[in-house]
Amino acid sequence: GQQVMQIPQYQHVQEGEDFTTYCNSSTTLSNIQWYKQRPGGHPVFLIQLVKSGEVKKQKRLTFQFGEAKKNSSLHITATQTTDVGTYFCAGGSGNTPLVFGKGTRLSVIA
Amino acid sequence: DAGVTQSPTHLIKTRGQQVTLRCSPKSGHDTVSWYQQALGQGPQFIFQYYEEEERQRGNFPDRFSGHQFPNYSSELNVNALLLGDSALYLCASSLGPGLAYSYEQYFGPGTRLTVT
Repeated sequence: GQQVMQIPQYQHVQEGEDFTTYCNSSTTLSNIQWYKQRPGGHPVFLIQLVKSGEVKKQKRLTFQFGEAKKNSSLHITATQTTDVGTYFCAGGSGNTPLVFGKGTRLSVIA
Repeated sequence: DAGVTQSPTHLIKTRGQQVTLRCSPKSGHDTVSWYQQALGQGPQFIFQYYEEEERQRGNFPDRFSGHQFPNYSSELNVNALLLGDSALYLCASSLGPGLAYSYEQYFGPGTRLTVT
């Protein structure tokens, strides 16, 4: 079945440094969604990408969807302590349930 | 505007017992999905309900069953609990006929189930 892999598993950065997490699917995706889960919290929807090569920005966050629609990335510029949490990608393929990656846990050292 | 609510917040059960978890979707949403999230893992899809019917199901045994009521709220039932069922159970609601690719999902706070 479809698998979604995320790297790295953990990332520790100094406040102000940039951060990137990568998501790779074993199959071509219809769309990809990104979620953020704060420690002790629940996943919160960030964005959805559907077009090949799509790039979307939300303030300091930049999301990309690969040309082949099998990979995606989330880049955070100048991290802040409020960025702490686990970032999940979730891939959709046709009329099948979203498959979540294991997430990248971001720690920001002030 | 109330978001997704779940009850109870925490639950401790013994192996072999049965448990029922409850979820009320975000106002205006008609589709409810249930996920299991083990510690350090991403959410795993259990099943989805729309129009009071199970529309899609993930790779979970029949011990996991559910129900959706006319007011769109939903229950997740797990029978014959195993130690491995210990996890955070998340309910997510969305607007739409169960198409995974189209709709963002709003997650509830989850129910933390511990099986001893």
